[in-house]
Amino acid sequence: SQQGEEDPQALSIQEGENATMNCSYKTSINNLQWYRQNSGRGLVHLILIRSNEREKHSGRLRVTLDTSKKSSSLLITASRAADTASYFCATPQGSARQLTFGSGTQLTVLP
Amino acid sequence: KAGVTQTPRYLIKTRGQQVTLSCSPISGHRSVSWYQQTPGQGLQFLFEYFSETQRNKGNFPGRFSGRQFSNSRSEMNVSTLELGDSALYLCASSVGQGASPNSGANVLTFGAGSRLTVL
Repeated sequence: SQQGEEDPQALSIQEGENATMNCSYKTSINNLQWYRQNSGRGLVHLILIRSNEREKHSGRLRVTLDTSKKSSSLLITASRAADTASYFCATPQGSARQLTFGSGTQLTVLP
Repeated sequence: KAGVTQTPRYLIKTRGQQVTLSCSPISGHRSVSWYQQTPGQGLQFLFEYFSETQRNKGNFPGRFSGRQFSNSRSEMNVSTLELGDSALYLCASSVGQGASPNSGANVLTFGAGSRLTVL
């Protein structure tokens, strides 16, 4: 079963714009992770935010976490066509290496 | 440093057959996890192996099994294939020795996947 939902399911923007996607989860967590998946390929780890952190940055990525609302958001600034991919949030369940993934947001960045 | 290698990348089977997928983790990684990805169910955890032992198992029938070898390479097997087993099977490795759940040692590195089509 999936831990949570992501919204929107699909997002289409122009190059240079910012993209924001949201993730909600159901149970308490130690951390929340974001992954990117290019069409039909494996997932690439983007960022991990711990439950005691509220915001984290990595390059053009900004992740926020609100444990009281059980939600997280991923902001990609100054999007590029190469950012076109599906983005998933994931939380460890039980084992730190057993992840439960959200449903994903399909981001399309138009040149 | 070589990434996670999965073979075969694509395969087609018919109902009732069985299939074995292989995963070679990053050198030095001792944990291997398997995930199934389908359009309907999304990404679902199958199982995790660490030091040749299955540590966790997802909610899949017994037709799905796996093993890990002493060199950390892993295989998963699906017997008596059903149409619904058509999916992208993803393998991920991690160092797996982090004491803290938030340790970077637990971050997963995924392979490109094996796409199974069952006819």
